[in-house]
Order: sequence, then structure tokens, then C-alpha cells
Amino acid sequence: NAGVTQTPKFQVLKTGQSMTLQCAQDMNHEYMSWYRQDPGMGLRLIHYSVGAGITDQGEVPNGYNVSRSTTEDFPLRLLSAAPSQTSVYFCASSSRLVRGSGEQYFGPGTRLTVT
Amino acid sequence: ILNVEQSPQSLHVQEGDSTNFTCSFPSSNFYALHWYRWETAKSPEALFVMTLNGDEKKKGRISATLNTKEGYSYLYIKGSQPEDSATYLCASPRDTGNQFYFGTGTSLTVIP
Repeated sequence: NAGVTQTPKFQVLKTGQSMTLQCAQDMNHEYMSWYRQDPGMGLRLIHYSVGAGITDQGEVPNGYNVSRSTTEDFPLRLLSAAPSQTSVYFCASSSRLVRGSGEQYFGPGTRLTVT
Repeated sequence: ILNVEQSPQSLHVQEGDSTNFTCSFPSSNFYALHWYRWETAKSPEALFVMTLNGDEKKKGRISATLNTKEGYSYLYIKGSQPEDSATYLCASPRDTGNQFYFGTGTSLTVIP
């Protein structure tokens, strides 16, 4: 099992550019999520999905879109990058035995810089 | 915003010392309490998931307890080793149980 994979590992964007961060998991997990990690802020939930075709907003969704067309993939789209979106992005997945009780498996992260 | 808080923010201990950290979370609408270990340049890895008041979990020298009525969890490390150096995060799923709120972590440094 590869677990949770993320691409790219590093990315530099100019303000206003768009891009998609890729996330895939091979554990057949229903729940997938995206977090951003900023100094002093901890991990903050951007969007999550409880299954193919179902997505919802987390704590900090503005400026980001997601879709879940398959169980395996959960891409995160930055529509028009802003310097405030400079961060490290983590994708995670878990099974949903009972809500909130599945341990999350994290990808290696994508370090994004917006200039 | 529902706050999950951790203390202390950082901790330096000598090898062999035992230590503990605290995670505080809102006690209403409780689903579970997660502990993760996050080593530098790696990704967070799950240590424990606890769901019942009074739960105690143990993995080697690391253990955790849960009090859902008062909204806190303790993580204990017995006989700290340098390889225990990491940031320890706790998280509480809220709302429908799908929205995870993380604390800012406790950074542990074990001095050989």
C-alpha cells in the first residue's frame, strides 16, 4: 500500500494563478480531507468528503474548491492564488467506522508559496 | 470557532524523565479525541483515538487518558527517549463528527 500520496511536493505560484493539488489513497477510505498548516495556527480543515460525490466545507474553505469523483482521489483546487494561501497543505484519509472515530492517515504534504 | 487547546506549548526534558501534556476540548457534542505524533519533516501519525469517558490507551511507553465530562485528555510519556522528540497534536471532531479541530501542539525535545 502506498497509503496517502500527494503531488507536487513543492510549488511556487504567482498571484492570480490557479492550480490543483493532487491527493490519492489506496486504502478504500470513505473520509478524505484537506488541511493547511501555518506557523502558530496548527492544522486547519479546508474541505472534507465522506464519500464519492459528497464534499463539504471545513473551517477555512474560502479560495479553494474540491471534488470527489472516485473513492481514491480528492483534488484541491486553488482558483486564483493569493499570498495568504502560502502554506503547507496536507491531505488525510480515514475509515468512518463511527463518526469521528477513524484515525487519520496523512500524506507527505505540499509546500506552496504564492508570490 | 470551537477551540482545542494544548499545554504546554513546548517542553524540554532529560532522557529518562517522564512527562505529560494536556489537551482541552469542548465537552459538549463529543465524538472522539485523537492524539497524533508529528516528527520534523514527516507527516502526523496517529497514536490514539479515544471515544469513551474514562478511556485509557497505551502504546509502549506512551499512554493517554480521557475525561469527556470536563473536556480534557492527558498524554503521558514514561522514561522519555531522544526518539520521542516530536510535536504531539490532539484533535477533536465536532459538529457532525466530520469536522476535525486540531490544537497547536506540544513540542517535546528530549535531551540525551
